[in-house]
Amino acid sequence: EVQLVESGGALVQGGGSLRLACTASGLTVRTNYMSWVRQAPGKGLEWVSIIHGGGETFYADSVKGRFSISRDNSKNTLYLQMNSLSAEDTAVYYCARTGTGFDIWGQGTMVTVSS
Amino acid sequence: EIVMTQSPATLSLSPGERATLSCRASQSVGSNLAWYQQKPGQAPRLLIYAASTRAIGIPARFSGSGSGTEFTLTISSLQSEDFAVYYCQQYNNWPPMYAFGQGTKLEIK
Repeated sequence: EVQLVESGGALVQGGGSLRLACTASGLTVRTNYMSWVRQAPGKGLEWVSIIHGGGETFYADSVKGRFSISRDNSKNTLYLQMNSLSAEDTAVYYCARTGTGFDIWGQGTMVTVSS
Repeated sequence: EIVMTQSPATLSLSPGERATLSCRASQSVGSNLAWYQQKPGQAPRLLIYAASTRAIGIPARFSGSGSGTEFTLTISSLQSEDFAVYYCQQYNNWPPMYAFGQGTKLEIK
């Protein structure tokens, strides 16, 4: 069974940092395009970042310069390093396989930033 | 930046009725359009990609149409499990752009 499991969400103070992880089973992170998508409480979906199979990384303007996406091929795990967090970053963060749409999603991990 | 606009914001229908949800792009996205269903407390689920292709395991009552800037998701006969929030999304893998609409809430009348 293909599965993505996020972890690392927490309550953090404004200005702080946090690293999220997304561990995959049944698919290889290294050979797939993988994204982070977030959803603020009661709001819609927002794409955050993507890492291509070749390692190229891209970011939404709202997080550029503050967030960093990476992967550990040996652990088959995707990461999102989040720095300089603000209340606007409060959201459920999902990882998702990316191709013609986002076809496989994790269950999400909650990040709450206190101001 | 491409902006996706969905209408209506809320749609109230009864089981067995036909649902028609609309999505408009601020500029042409070709057929690079996906639809998702999201239920409370759950991750989104991919329903349709390439504007009209059903994802694996999606029932035939869900269909997508359109191209360019105007898209439609149709649910032919609503089942109780279909009441949820639906999002459209344009995707462009190069340069990477993945903009979502604001969602349409499909509620039981």
